[in-house]
Amino acid sequence: DAKTTQPPSMDCAEGRAANLPCNHSTISGNEYVYWYRQIHSQGPQYIIHGLKNNETNEMASLIITEDRKSSTLILPHATLRDTAVYYCIVRVVQTGANNLFFGTGTRLTVIP
Amino acid sequence: GAGVSQSPSNKVTEKGKDVELRCDPISGHTALYWYRQSLGQGLEFLIYFQGNSAPDKSGLPSDRFSAERTGGSVSTLTIQRTQQEDSAVYLCASSFMEGYEQYFGPGTRLTVT
Repeated sequence: DAKTTQPPSMDCAEGRAANLPCNHSTISGNEYVYWYRQIHSQGPQYIIHGLKNNETNEMASLIITEDRKSSTLILPHATLRDTAVYYCIVRVVQTGANNLFFGTGTRLTVIP
Repeated sequence: GAGVSQSPSNKVTEKGKDVELRCDPISGHTALYWYRQSLGQGLEFLIYFQGNSAPDKSGLPSDRFSAERTGGSVSTLTIQRTQQEDSAVYLCASSFMEGYEQYFGPGTRLTVT
């Protein structure tokens, strides 16, 4: 799986949009971008994933650049409960693709 | 609906004892994964089951670790002759099929004294 690079930490004011960047310059054509988060003392939580097109669900939006070498996870209105470590993962979706590799992620702190 | 559940939530054991950790995946999910997370560290893959296929054991750190999945549903991770370095949070995840997004349980915090 391709390596990803994320800033170690970010702050965001409550109610504002949180934009979390991820670089994956060596991504392959068949690799998807996944985002998970881990709130303190809980298991990781799936957020969103995409291949080429921008994606949106009830939790967040995922913006992938045209060259697919970077992406941004957007939490449109951050709340205190969004404070967590956010992991950007690039992986193939196919038979035999199993474990996820979680890097160090970005520790997002939402400030009141 | 019900998510992935794990039991016990906490386990304290003496060095040298055996422990069993249980995972109940989401109903209908065919793939099941075990990870562990040491304090302040990322997730370490341990083992993976997909349907009735032979499990991928490539992440198991030693032969003291084993896992089984009965009837394609519940899984048990067994650690024999526990060591202090086995202390960690053991996380189970399941997915609809291999390659799909994984949904994690709350984990079992294992402390070996």
